[in-house]
Amino acid sequence: DGGITQSPKYLFRKEGQNVTLSCEQNLNHDAMYWYRQDPGQGLRLIYYSQIVNDFQKGDIAEGYSVSREKKESFPLTVTSAQKNPTAFYLCASSPRDGSYEQYFGPGTRLTVT
Amino acid sequence: AQKVTQAQTEISVVEKEDVTLDCVYETRDTTYYLFWYKQPPSGELVFLIRRNSFDEQNEISGRYSWNFQKSTSSFNFTITASQVVDSAVYFCALSGRGNKLVFGAGTILRVKS
Repeated sequence: DGGITQSPKYLFRKEGQNVTLSCEQNLNHDAMYWYRQDPGQGLRLIYYSQIVNDFQKGDIAEGYSVSREKKESFPLTVTSAQKNPTAFYLCASSPRDGSYEQYFGPGTRLTVT
Repeated sequence: AQKVTQAQTEISVVEKEDVTLDCVYETRDTTYYLFWYKQPPSGELVFLIRRNSFDEQNEISGRYSWNFQKSTSSFNFTITASQVVDSAVYFCALSGRGNKLVFGAGTILRVKS
């Protein structure tokens, strides 16, 4: 089955630790995205990539980093510099650019204490 | 700047009632795309519809229908004969020339049996 996988579903970390969230897609999509969702709010764009080895900052990139070494994979690292990392993180992909619908993974709920 | 406003934070209806979710957008782009997504309690966003700015035709898909009016910058979503399974958070989103998706804050729909 084609789709987007994110792992793990729940992640717990201590403050000051970096943590990497996984996102893999087998839809052969060019573009991939990372969003953050806080309770009662919409999604905010962290980073996006429209092609391998290239990515752009979204609206809230500070404290996050990404890589896009393979078309299928777009991991997100939440660094210790991110002041409020506890949130629900959603990965998405689309065939090309933002004019196309995006397909979302199941999300990772990160809790930092 | 692009903006999406979903003024209804939460709506509660009884099963079989019709319900309309409002979406108002702002953009200076002449070419843009509008989307609706559903987020059930599991957390994964489900794509419902994509509409481009040149296509003002209303669309019906089963119990779902969408009303796009450029004159009022609105893209409203109606569920006819609502069911408990429709309970979810619904997001309206906009993509313009920058190819980034901007989401509204979402509307929580609760359908009671």
